[in-house]
Amino acid sequence: SQKIEQNSEALNIQEGKTATLTCNYTNYSPAYLQWYRQDPGRGPVFLLLIRENEKEKRKERLKVTFDTTLKQSLFHITASQPADSATYLCALGPGSSNTGKLIFGQGTTLQVKP
Amino acid sequence: DGGITQSPKYLFRKEGQNVTLSCEQNLNHDAMYWYRQDPGQGLRLIYYSQIVNDFQKGDIAEGYSVSREKKESFPLTVTSAQKNPTAFYLCASSSGTHYEQYFGPGTRLTVT
Repeated sequence: SQKIEQNSEALNIQEGKTATLTCNYTNYSPAYLQWYRQDPGRGPVFLLLIRENEKEKRKERLKVTFDTTLKQSLFHITASQPADSATYLCALGPGSSNTGKLIFGQGTTLQVKP
Repeated sequence: DGGITQSPKYLFRKEGQNVTLSCEQNLNHDAMYWYRQDPGQGLRLIYYSQIVNDFQKGDIAEGYSVSREKKESFPLTVTSAQKNPTAFYLCASSSGTHYEQYFGPGTRLTVT
C-alpha cells in the first residue's frame, strides 16, 4: 500500500542554521509533491509545489528537492528564525488520476531556538 | 477578503447526534475537500468534490455525508454512525486538480 513518511521526531535547531526536513514515500509515483506549514490549532498553509520533472524549487528562504528515483523530497529552510517554528507537512499528488487527491504525511515539528 | 471559512471553531455534541460542519469559500474554486486530523497524524481525506452537484468518497468516508449544491459551500455531516467522531476537521479548496489547496481554520469537534 502507499506509504508516506516524515520524521516523527521534532527537529530542534539554532536560529540562523539551515533546517532540513525529509519526506519519503513508497509504492507510489506522484505527479507532484507539495509542502505545507501548519501552526497549532490552525489549518495548513501552502508553501511550495514541485512536479515530478523538476529537481529543485526555491522560494525566498525555502528550497525543495524531489528525487523520484530515491522516492524522497527534502525541504530546506535557510537562515531559520524562531517564527519558522511549526509543523511541516508533505503531500503527494496523484500520479495517474486527475482527482486532485493528496496523500499527507504526518508532519515534522520544527523548533527554532533563539 | 477572499478565503475559506469554517464554523463553528469549536463544537460539542452528545453521542448519537448528527452534526453538520459548515465550509464556505469565496475563491471561486471548483474543487473542495474535507479532511480529518487526529493528534500526531496526517490529514485523512473524508470526501471531495470537483464540481457542483458531484462528490466522491475519500479514504475514510464511513459515517460521514456531504452535499455540494452551490459552488461556494460544501457542508459535512458527521452522523451517529461515525465511531470516533472527535477530531479536528479541515475544509480546503483548490482552483483545480494539480494545484495547491487552501485550507480553512478548522472545526474541533468533541463528542461525549
